Amino acid sequence: AQKVTQAQTEISVVEKEDVTLDCVYETRDTTYYLFWYKQPPSGELVFLIRRNSFDEQNEISGRYSWNFQKSTSSFNFTITASQVVDSAVYFCALNRYSGAGSYQLTFGKGTKLSVIP
Amino acid sequence: DAGITQSPRYKITETGRQVTLMCHQTWSHSYMFWYRQDLGHGLRLIYYSAAADITDKGEVPDGYVVSRSKTENFPLTLESATRSQTSVYFCASRGLVYEQYFGPGTRLTVT
Repeated sequence: AQKVTQAQTEISVVEKEDVTLDCVYETRDTTYYLFWYKQPPSGELVFLIRRNSFDEQNEISGRYSWNFQKSTSSFNFTITASQVVDSAVYFCALNRYSGAGSYQLTFGKGTKLSVIP
Repeated sequence: DAGITQSPRYKITETGRQVTLMCHQTWSHSYMFWYRQDLGHGLRLIYYSAAADITDKGEVPDGYVVSRSKTENFPLTLESATRSQTSVYFCASRGLVYEQYFGPGTRLTVT
């Protein structure tokens, strides 16, 4: 079964602290993609990153970094020097084959991050 | 404007009424999706479409109908709205490598 678990329901940090959001997944597929999305208080869902299962290199984009470890089925997201604008719900997602050539995303339940000034 | 748009952004309707939520994308993406987002349930897939005239059920399709006569449009219809369908509805289209791009959402309240 395909499953994405974000065990942290809510996290609060003080501005400028680093924070890591955990994502653990289950899949039987040998090739798959993982994603992170951000949902700020305004409500829209913003695509942040895609990672394929063959690429275990960590990725850094400004204050954001992602650590993909196939051995532990994890795809964690770290925000360095957090800012109030980082306050949002963050979703991890896994693409899964749903038959007839179609792929769907399975989302975790999300982690609500609050950055306190 | 390029991207994916939804209308209306907010809708209040009464139980039993038919409601149609519109979704339009300008990227010519083949795949489009409808999700609902509810507290405690996260994002759940209602229906998706692989191309014009090809649609399929997702996780929670009961009470909803979709159609896709043109690639760019993917309307979602609640045939007889119920209070349990009060939710935020997101439309999405899929890019080149499985990533999905979401519309701004429609907040629907059924009274």
